[in-house]
Amino acid sequence: QAQLQESGPGLVKPSETLSLSCTVSGHSISGDYYWGWIRQFPGMGLEWIGSMSHRWSTYYNPSLKSRVAISVDTTNNQFSLKLSSVTAADTAVYYCVRDRVTMRGITPVNDWFDPWGQGILVTVSS
Amino acid sequence: DIQMTQFPSSLSASVGNRVTISCRASQPISRFLNWYQQRPGKAPKLLIYEVSSLQGGVPSRFSGSGSETDFTLTITNVQPEDFASYYCQQSYSTPPTFGQGTKLDFK
Repeated sequence: QAQLQESGPGLVKPSETLSLSCTVSGHSISGDYYWGWIRQFPGMGLEWIGSMSHRWSTYYNPSLKSRVAISVDTTNNQFSLKLSSVTAADTAVYYCVRDRVTMRGITPVNDWFDPWGQGILVTVSS
Repeated sequence: DIQMTQFPSSLSASVGNRVTISCRASQPISRFLNWYQQRPGKAPKLLIYEVSSLQGGVPSRFSGSGSETDFTLTITNVQPEDFASYYCQQSYSTPPTFGQGTKLDFK
């Protein structure tokens, strides 16, 4: 049974880079799944940020692609998120998720997200 | 991006009631539609995938139906632990997108 746990700073200054990690237990990150990030804004809306496989295949939300980097650390069974040039609009609860995908040709497409980490609130403020 | 619209945004029910939550996609998405439950202070949890397949451990009082643009989540015999928010999500195309949520509270 996979379990995911986010970690990282809860406060980031505007224009800086938000960095979070997700530790996976009960499931090897080197398997067939992708590993991703979703955020939930204070008004409860959910936004997928992006996902990566252990083979470094990635797909990102086009709206965030220029600011996002996801990496995988198979040695420690972890993956990470970096979101650059943050503003107050990036204030949200960030969840790490296991992303089940289907390959359409060489392109990964999400099937569903399960399970989710417990979430970590990140506030962007000076 | 495909827009997902849920209605109602909130509804009230009593234990034992039957409730229905609707989700509409801005374009046809075949059967690529998932439902999540989020209890207060908790992460969303996958409830139903591909319109009507229950995730393991989900009680049979939950069911889903629909295709293309119109989808429904039904809870029969609502239980106290079902009072939560529910989100639909399309996985037809990238980026996967979510509805704005429906909050089910106690009447």
